[in-house]
Amino acid sequence: QKEVEQNSGPLSVPEGAIASLNCTYSDRGSQSFFWYRQYSGKSPELIMFIYSNGDKEDGRFTAQLNKASQYVSLLIRDSQPSDSATYLCAFNSGNTPLVFGKGTRLSVIA
Amino acid sequence: SAVISQKPSRDICQRGTSLTIQCQVDSQVTMMFWYRQQPGQSLTLIATANQGSEATYESGFVIDKFPISRPNLTFSTLTVSNMSPEDSSIYLCSVRTGVTDTQYFGPGTRLTVL
Repeated sequence: QKEVEQNSGPLSVPEGAIASLNCTYSDRGSQSFFWYRQYSGKSPELIMFIYSNGDKEDGRFTAQLNKASQYVSLLIRDSQPSDSATYLCAFNSGNTPLVFGKGTRLSVIA
Repeated sequence: SAVISQKPSRDICQRGTSLTIQCQVDSQVTMMFWYRQQPGQSLTLIATANQGSEATYESGFVIDKFPISRPNLTFSTLTVSNMSPEDSSIYLCSVRTGVTDTQYFGPGTRLTVL
């Protein structure tokens, strides 16, 4: 059974701080890793994907992947109240559908 | 990315009836999926919609309850049959374009069963 583990939160950070969201996965054959943001009442929106070990940066977002530890994280720098949402981690292998974690609820306090 | 639309956006239905949800994409996509998201929960994959053949269902989901069609590369339907209040959920269409293996989601259909 492929599983993704995320801390459900809520994770509260002050505005301007770095928010760190973490995810572990069970399938060592996983190849692709994704972070989605979901605002309340909306559908998931893709933020980032990462395939290789190391860091990948896109604006205020950095994804970090460590395949040996089966660990992927998302850092949000200079957090804004508009970043308050649920963040979903997901992975797949080749053509398989994405397997999602339960999500971490982030609250950025102004 | 692809532009995905779903109809209806929401509906309130009576127990025992059926509802068909449509998913339309603005470009041809390689794969289409149907997910369910119950209140406060994460996404659960119902099935992979296969063009021209029967859908591939995940454990716990069966064709009689959730029949799926995919007549071409841009359109799919999911029917929720013989509904009960436990079927109240958001149903999401998701597609993969084939350029990468990233998946994009439609806006969802919010279903309430009374």
